[in-house]
Amino acid sequence: GESVGLHLPTLSVQEGDNSIINCAYSNSASDYFIWYKQESGKGPQFIIDIRSNMDKRQGQRVTVLLNKTVKHLSLQIAATQPGDSAVYFCAVAPLNDYKLSFGAGTTVTVRA
Amino acid sequence: GAGVSQSPSNKVTEKGKDVELRCDPISGHTALYWYRQRLGQGLEFLIYFQGNSAPDKSGLPSDRFSAERTGESVSTLTIQRTQQEDSAVYLCASSFVVGAPNQPQHFGDGTRLSIL
Repeated sequence: GESVGLHLPTLSVQEGDNSIINCAYSNSASDYFIWYKQESGKGPQFIIDIRSNMDKRQGQRVTVLLNKTVKHLSLQIAATQPGDSAVYFCAVAPLNDYKLSFGAGTTVTVRA
Repeated sequence: GAGVSQSPSNKVTEKGKDVELRCDPISGHTALYWYRQRLGQGLEFLIYFQGNSAPDKSGLPSDRFSAERTGESVSTLTIQRTQQEDSAVYLCASSFVVGAPNQPQHFGDGTRLSIL
């Protein structure tokens, strides 16, 4: 099966700085990677996804980087804002498989 | 448009009672998923429905757990003879399964279940 881990369970960042959240996965057959943001009392909210045929994908203030060689995934948030405070989860799935394996989450706290 | 809707948002019940949780997926989404999230942890897959195919029940933790889905609409997750270890947030998600695989799953806000 797939094992998904996050490097740091918590991250404190100054407002306006960039945030980097890391994730490692174990299955080299993993093909689909996705980041979610979960605020207190809410369900996970889709942020961005990437497939294994790409190394980088950008969204609004977010960038996902994929390093398949070392099986590492990261989410970068530019100019972090107080509204970015939440728990961030990475999840992975093999090719053509709907079953996502989730990491335990990184709690991001933005300092004013 | 409307997102995934779950009800009730909170449920408190006594050990041994049965509970039924409801999920209304996003209209047009053919795939529906149930997950369990224990406090401070990631999501555990429970069950997956896709159209008229047989559901993938491989994540259900015991035979006390069951789920049904009517066509491509509402789903209910039932937990019989609840135990304190069943206390968790139960999340439902839905997605398109058309063309390319691995469409993003969109989540509801969950049902927070507390077993006394």
